[in-house]
Amino acid sequence: NAGVTQTPKFRILKIGQSMTLQCTQDMNHNYMYWYRQDPGMGLKLIYYSVGAGITDKGEVPNGYNVSRSTTEDFPLRLELAAPSQTSVYFCASSEGLAGGTGELFFGEGSRLTVL
Amino acid sequence: GESVGLHLPTLSVQEGDNSIINCAYSNSASDYFIWYKQESGKGPQFIIDIRSNMDKRQGQRVTVLLNKTVKHLSLQIAATQPGDSAVYFCAESDGGATNKLIFGTGTLLAVQP
Repeated sequence: NAGVTQTPKFRILKIGQSMTLQCTQDMNHNYMYWYRQDPGMGLKLIYYSVGAGITDKGEVPNGYNVSRSTTEDFPLRLELAAPSQTSVYFCASSEGLAGGTGELFFGEGSRLTVL
Repeated sequence: GESVGLHLPTLSVQEGDNSIINCAYSNSASDYFIWYKQESGKGPQFIIDIRSNMDKRQGQRVTVLLNKTVKHLSLQIAATQPGDSAVYFCAESDGGATNKLIFGTGTLLAVQP
């Protein structure tokens, strides 16, 4: 299994541009999450999904959108990029506590810079 | 609001010593706790977890202790090795259907040879 795969790994955007961060997992997990991590800080939850067709806001959803059309994919859309969105973005998936463990499996991250 | 915080942002230990990383949480409804290790430039990696019906859980060289009375969590690493150098995060969840994890700020563990 590849686990959780994120693309791109690095991206530079100009203010006002839009882009989509891709995330796919091959573990058949129902739960997926997007976090952002600012330098020297912990992870903040942006959006999450408990299954295909279901998404909800996390702690810091403003400026982002998500969709979950399949179990495998959970893309994160940035509209009108701002310097405050410069961060490292992590996608994660989980089988949920009902499956025995609440462990989140993380991707390697996507480093985004907005200039 | 709910928060998870750490007492020590940086911890420096000698190779071979035991390390203790502490974490305080504020949500008394939290039912599940987890420790992650993050090496530079990588995503977080699972270390160990514990549910609120336990006060101690052991893994390989690691032990997590949970004190619900004072809402405190700790991670103990035995015989710390240079490969243990990383940032360690605690995270909490209310154990509900969403399994959302709320992360603390992190502690940098620096292992001196």
